[in-house]
Amino acid sequence: AQSVSQHNHHVILSEAASLELGCNYSYGGTVNLFWYVQYPGQHLQLLLKYFSGDPLVKGIKGFEAEFIKSKFSFNLRKPSVQWSDTAEYFCAVLTGGFKTIFGAGTRLFVKA
Amino acid sequence: DAGVIQSPRHEVTEMGQEVTLRCKPISGHDYLFWYRQTMMRGLELLIYFNNNVPIDDSGMPEDRFSAKMPNASFSTLKIQPSEPRDSAVYFCASSTSSYEQYFGPGTRLTVT
Repeated sequence: AQSVSQHNHHVILSEAASLELGCNYSYGGTVNLFWYVQYPGQHLQLLLKYFSGDPLVKGIKGFEAEFIKSKFSFNLRKPSVQWSDTAEYFCAVLTGGFKTIFGAGTRLFVKA
Repeated sequence: DAGVIQSPRHEVTEMGQEVTLRCKPISGHDYLFWYRQTMMRGLELLIYFNNNVPIDDSGMPEDRFSAKMPNASFSTLKIQPSEPRDSAVYFCASSTSSYEQYFGPGTRLTVT
């Protein structure tokens, strides 16, 4: 069965620290990959997406993610986090049809 | 655009009562999704529609749950009878063929 695994459930960083959130998926076909973010008290919104082409994709607010097909991974990175990045981050994979599988989420807390 | 609209935002009900959650997708979007978010299970896809037709309802937990989409601008998720384990945040999302999903603010359901 298709699945998405996010390695860290909780991450605590200080401002200006670098961030990398791991995401692995299990699906043998062509994938479309997403990172969504949910700020406290708000709904999910798209951070970035990968469909094809350059495996390094850039999203909003300085986030980027790299698709490594051989590792079935799509890790999220940001060189320097800010307090306002405190949120929950979800990796997701679009499988056949329009069914999107979400990971369990990673809660990031950035200390000011 | 007002985005995806969900009502009510909060619902508290007693076990055994019928609960109806409502969603208005973004105009022009032809896909609509219902998700449930809990601490234990994360974000789960319950059902999705394309052009008002249910495409995949394999995530609907049991017969107590039903969803309808009578027209392109309205969908309901009904739970009858409700149980305490149904307590969760229910999200509605809509999309076009671009795959990016736009989420509503969610309905926080508490069943006592």
